[in-house]
Amino acid sequence: AQTVTQSQPEMSVQEAETVTLSCTYDTSESDYYLFWYKQPPSRQMILVIRQEAYKQQNATENRFSVNFQKAAKSFSLKISDSQLGDAAMYFCAYSNSGAGSYQLTFGKGTKLSVIP
Amino acid sequence: NAGVTQTPKFRVLKTGQSMTLLCAQDMNHEYMYWYRQDPGMGLRLIHYSVGEGTTAKGEVPDGYNVSRLKKQNFLLGLESAAPSQTSVYFCASSYPPGEQFFGPGTRLTVL
Repeated sequence: AQTVTQSQPEMSVQEAETVTLSCTYDTSESDYYLFWYKQPPSRQMILVIRQEAYKQQNATENRFSVNFQKAAKSFSLKISDSQLGDAAMYFCAYSNSGAGSYQLTFGKGTKLSVIP
Repeated sequence: NAGVTQTPKFRVLKTGQSMTLLCAQDMNHEYMYWYRQDPGMGLRLIHYSVGEGTTAKGEVPDGYNVSRLKKQNFLLGLESAAPSQTSVYFCASSYPPGEQFFGPGTRLTVL
């Protein structure tokens, strides 16, 4: 079974600074997808960024970028120019076509605080 | 488009009572999922459906049943609620391998 590990239960960053959230995963598959989801206090799950394992290029979305190291099974999220609205729980998630479900396997999350 | 909606948003049950959570999506997605989120945990999959009329068990299916009679709806049932089922429940839908779109969640308390 696939597992996703987020080793940082809590992180903090100064406004306008850069922070990196860590994620590692375990899988025997070669084709899969990785995601970072944001969950603000409103509870809504919001997709931040997505990475296909077959793509070597790291995904970027505005201030958000990933460092995808397939051999190391590592998928970290970098947030640049942090803003107060970035404060939230961040979940790393893994998905593949195993059993045809494309279900998401989540890590336990990292709570990010942004200090004004 | 409303996206994914969930009914109700909050509910309090007594042990042994039953209830049904309704999830609806208007994106014509084939796949739908039910997750639960407990404190200090990420979301865990309860059941899922890959199309109308089909359902399958996820990681934590015990105590729950589901039905997908219409493509746009996915129902989660608790036949005899237990305190261990106190949680926040999320429904999601997708057209894989694309992203899953989540509903706003239902907070359920079982006393």
